[in-house]
Amino acid sequence: EDQVTQSPEALRLQEGESSSLNCSYTVSGLRGLFWYRQDPGKGPEFLFTLYSAGEEKEKERLKATLTKKESFLHITAPKPEDSATYLCAMSTSGTYKYIFGTGTRLKVLA
Amino acid sequence: DVKVTQSSRYLVKRTGEKVFLECVQDMDHENMFWYRQDPGLGLRLIYFSYDVKMKEKGDIPEGYSVSREKKERFSLILESASTNQTSMYLCASRLPQGAEYGYTFGSGTRLTVV
Repeated sequence: EDQVTQSPEALRLQEGESSSLNCSYTVSGLRGLFWYRQDPGKGPEFLFTLYSAGEEKEKERLKATLTKKESFLHITAPKPEDSATYLCAMSTSGTYKYIFGTGTRLKVLA
Repeated sequence: DVKVTQSSRYLVKRTGEKVFLECVQDMDHENMFWYRQDPGLGLRLIYFSYDVKMKEKGDIPEGYSVSREKKERFSLILESASTNQTSMYLCASRLPQGAEYGYTFGSGTRLTVV
């Protein structure tokens, strides 16, 4: 069964303390892996798409990487405004839907 | 930028009422989706539509129906609202599957059924 698992469920960081969020997946026929940011009470906001192992994408303090079994979202020198829930999702061959993880709630303290 | 607009941010409805959640997107996307989001369960797909008048059941369609009469509008209908349908409802759209762009989500509708 196709599955996405995110860890940790919650993470508290001091401002400037770099860390990584993990998204592990089991899937037959990965077409794309996506990262989203979700602020409380709002819809998820698209961050990155990764298509193949070894690929990396960057945006400001965020960098997403992909291997054959997992993806990492690296946060470098985070700021309080980076506090949010980060979701990963994947799309697979032969289906329209994405499979979502349950997210990592990140809190960055000033 | 693509915009996906959900008609209500917050709704409170009574058990047994018929509830309509509306979603409109402005970028000519073929595919549209309805998810519900609950703590600890993540996002679960209710229904999706890959084109006008076309619809497919997702993982949890029971108690829901959908309508897509125009390309830009995708409506979710709760036939007879129940308390276990209290949730955050998210609409999303995207280009066809051949182009692997991410979903664009609406801001969500927080529905409470009392």
